[in-house]
Amino acid sequence: AQSVTQPDIHITVSEGASLELRCNYSYGATPYLFWYVQSPGQGLQLLLKYFSGDTLVQGIKGFEAEFKRSQSSFNLRKPSVHWSDAAEYFCAVGRLGGYNKLIFGAGTRLAVHP
Amino acid sequence: DAGVTQSPTHLIKTRGQQVTLRCSPKSGHDTVSWYQQALGQGPQFIFQYYEEEERQRGNFPDRFSGHQFPNYSSELNVNALLLGDSALYLCASTWGEAEAFFGQGTRLTVV
Repeated sequence: AQSVTQPDIHITVSEGASLELRCNYSYGATPYLFWYVQSPGQGLQLLLKYFSGDTLVQGIKGFEAEFKRSQSSFNLRKPSVHWSDAAEYFCAVGRLGGYNKLIFGAGTRLAVHP
Repeated sequence: DAGVTQSPTHLIKTRGQQVTLRCSPKSGHDTVSWYQQALGQGPQFIFQYYEEEERQRGNFPDRFSGHQFPNYSSELNVNALLLGDSALYLCASTWGEAEAFFGQGTRLTVV
């Protein structure tokens, strides 16, 4: 079955601290992996994506993620968190092109303490 | 570029009523997908439209139906509303093998 697991429902970090959000996936074909961010009452904004090639991908707002095929993981990281990073983060897996539906995890809510 | 636009932003309906949500895709995009995001959950795929046809469907009952117009805009219709249909409904558009862009969503409350 295709699925995405985000083990951490809530994470709280201090401003300036490093961050890692975990994501594990189950997908039959070669996965295309995504991280989206959602501020309260808003839609989803794409942070970064992995299709192929270098397993460390850079995204917007200083985020990066590393694809580890052996662990079926795609963890999101940021070296220094800003208060404006407080939001909900969703990992998703899917395909591109036709029939490109996305399967999302349940999300991780990030709180940032000053 | 206006991006993906959805209307209305919020609405309240009564159980048993019908509702129509609207989506205009990002300029140049020809494929529209709809997702339901219940409170505290990740988005779940409802269906996808391409060339005015439903191309793929998730695990949603027939009460959920849609349409795509020649200008690629789309509607999501939900009949016989249930309390459990209360959610944020997200529209996403894409073209070819590009990634999906999401709208701000429509918050539906069923009372």
